[in-house]
Amino acid sequence: QVTLKESGPVLVKPTETLTLTCTVSGFSLSNVRMGVSWIRQPPGKALEWLAHIFSNDEKSYSTSLKSRLTISKDTSKSQVVLTMTNMDPVDTATYYCARDGGKGGCDYWGQGTLVTVSS
Amino acid sequence: DIQMTQSPSTLSASVGDRVTITCRASQSISSWLAWYQQKPGKAPKFLIYKASSLESGVPSRFSGSGSGTEFTLTISSLQPDDFATYYCQHYNSYSRTFGQGTKVEIK
Repeated sequence: QVTLKESGPVLVKPTETLTLTCTVSGFSLSNVRMGVSWIRQPPGKALEWLAHIFSNDEKSYSTSLKSRLTISKDTSKSQVVLTMTNMDPVDTATYYCARDGGKGGCDYWGQGTLVTVSS
Repeated sequence: DIQMTQSPSTLSASVGDRVTITCRASQSISSWLAWYQQKPGKAPKFLIYKASSLESGVPSRFSGSGSGTEFTLTISSLQPDDFATYYCQHYNSYSRTFGQGTKVEIK
């Protein structure tokens, strides 16, 4: 079955760089038109899309966060990595990765990982 | 950037009610719209894609409609398990945007 799991630090300091890894199973990152998105949700707030990567390595980013984000994938490891630079307390959120491709929209989600930004 | 606006922000309803949530796009998005349900502490659940296609396993009381700039999610007869927050999401080749969410509460 399809699963995704996020991993990374639970606590980062302001100005540090956050690196999150999404490990997928049950599908291949090389499948045609398959992709993975990263989405975050600050406590009590709405979902915010961050970045997406397709099987052909085509990438897209949130306009407001583009300068701070980098998304990449390692197909052989079934992993998608998101880095976000210059972290700030307002970046405290649950970060999700989700399968995003094919039919359109995110049909499978990871459980999410809470990242707190604090000194 | 395309903005997605949901209304209402909060909706109070009773079991058995017909519920409609609206999502408006700041410009035409054809039918590139998905809907999700989220319960507290859980990841969102995929309900509908391409504005009106029901994801496999989702109860038929959920339906989506619309195209262009105005879309609706309808729950034909609200069930206890449906009290949650619902989000619309626009998607295309280079961007995705979520609405701000609609919380469906028990009246």
